[in-house]
Amino acid sequence: GAVVSQHPSRVICKSGTSVKIECRSLDFQATTMFWYRQFPKKSLMLMATSNEGSKATYEQGVEKDKFLINHASLTLSTLTVTSAHPEDSSFYICSARTEGQPLHEQFFGPGTRLTVL
Amino acid sequence: DAKTTQPPSMDCAEGRAANLPCNHSTISGNEYVYWYRQIHSQGPQYIIHGLKNNETNEMASLIITEDRKSSTLILPHATLRDTAVYYCIVRVPGKLIFGQGTTLQVKP
Repeated sequence: GAVVSQHPSRVICKSGTSVKIECRSLDFQATTMFWYRQFPKKSLMLMATSNEGSKATYEQGVEKDKFLINHASLTLSTLTVTSAHPEDSSFYICSARTEGQPLHEQFFGPGTRLTVL
Repeated sequence: DAKTTQPPSMDCAEGRAANLPCNHSTISGNEYVYWYRQIHSQGPQYIIHGLKNNETNEMASLIITEDRKSSTLILPHATLRDTAVYYCIVRVPGKLIFGQGTTLQVKP
């Protein structure tokens, strides 16, 4: 399958700072990218869907001003956690797909573990 | 939106078949069933999907009941590396919504 990378794999930051996580599709054009959050021993929760060149669509209950998503190119989406607090500590996972391709051809990144002190 | 119900955990002996059930009684006629798995601290991995007919690939088999209200994922010869959380998903248009999944523990 296609490859999706995330950077960084782990990040530790102080409370109140902002953190940017990158998601890249390495060998295909990702017209749509998804951002998920996963707390320990919990399932993945979809945060938002982003289409290249458009504003992201956020799931109910997800603060769009808190979690800024940019999908400026067909190979890169970024998630910025603004003014991070300890409760934002989580495992953030992105996935990517090409519009028109079957839904199961949605490829996941390896995840980024964020720890906010 | 169709919802899925899975047992929270299962054990399986190494080398034996692992049969993971999933109930999706509210599934619509044109909705596919997808299976993914997540090994600890990694991103989810696609396994298989199906609509009506049974499906098989190099990883697993998927058995869907005739009324499509439930399905079973079969790992024919489970190995220790198959220890993971397995998610049965009936898609919401355009996106994958994960339920709680089944934690499969393969034991030596």
